[in-house]
Amino acid sequence: GENVEQHPSTLSVQEGDSAVIKCTYSDSASNYFPWYKQELGKRPQLIIDIRSNVGEKKDQRIAVTLNKTAKHFSLHITETQPEDSAVYFCAASKGAGNQFYFGTGTSLTVIP
Amino acid sequence: GAVVSQHPSRVICKSGTSVKIECRSLDFQATTMFWYRQFPKQSLMLMATSNEGSKATYEQGVEKDKFLINHASLTLSTLTVTSAHPEDSSFYICSAYRTDSSYEQYFGPGTRLTVT
Repeated sequence: GENVEQHPSTLSVQEGDSAVIKCTYSDSASNYFPWYKQELGKRPQLIIDIRSNVGEKKDQRIAVTLNKTAKHFSLHITETQPEDSAVYFCAASKGAGNQFYFGTGTSLTVIP
Repeated sequence: GAVVSQHPSRVICKSGTSVKIECRSLDFQATTMFWYRQFPKQSLMLMATSNEGSKATYEQGVEKDKFLINHASLTLSTLTVTSAHPEDSSFYICSAYRTDSSYEQYFGPGTRLTVT
């Protein structure tokens, strides 16, 4: 089955700095890679996703990059704000209707 | 659109009893739903895939006789934790795919189960 690794497990940055979270996956058949933000006791919320036919996607302060050859993808948050503090999960999937395999999560703290 | 609800949001039960958690897609049809379990400060662990009208597919290590899943309609899946024990205490989250589209899963708000 798929194995998704995520690093780092915790990350602290100063407000305004950038944050980068990295994930690797093992199954070359995976073709969909979403990123979720989860606040304590709440449901995961999709913040950005990327499909395997695209190398990079950006939405305002958030971007995701994908390297299919190396089987890794990364989340980039620029100009971080205190409200970005949360746990972030990456996931990999073989597409519509298939299960997600989640990474272990990164606890991001943005220090005002 | 694409709202998923769960009921109850919190439940406390005594050891040995059973508890049922409902997952509903409110404004779309969901052929496939998933059940996850999340321990504090840990990731979401997939328990099973629930397909409407057929038996659920359980992940390795998940006891199907303990975690009963029923997906009787295109908008409802239920998870029943039978003979609950304190170690079953966890945050249970469901998700659903829209039948008509997309790669995105829509998550329910989760159910906090505490077994005393």
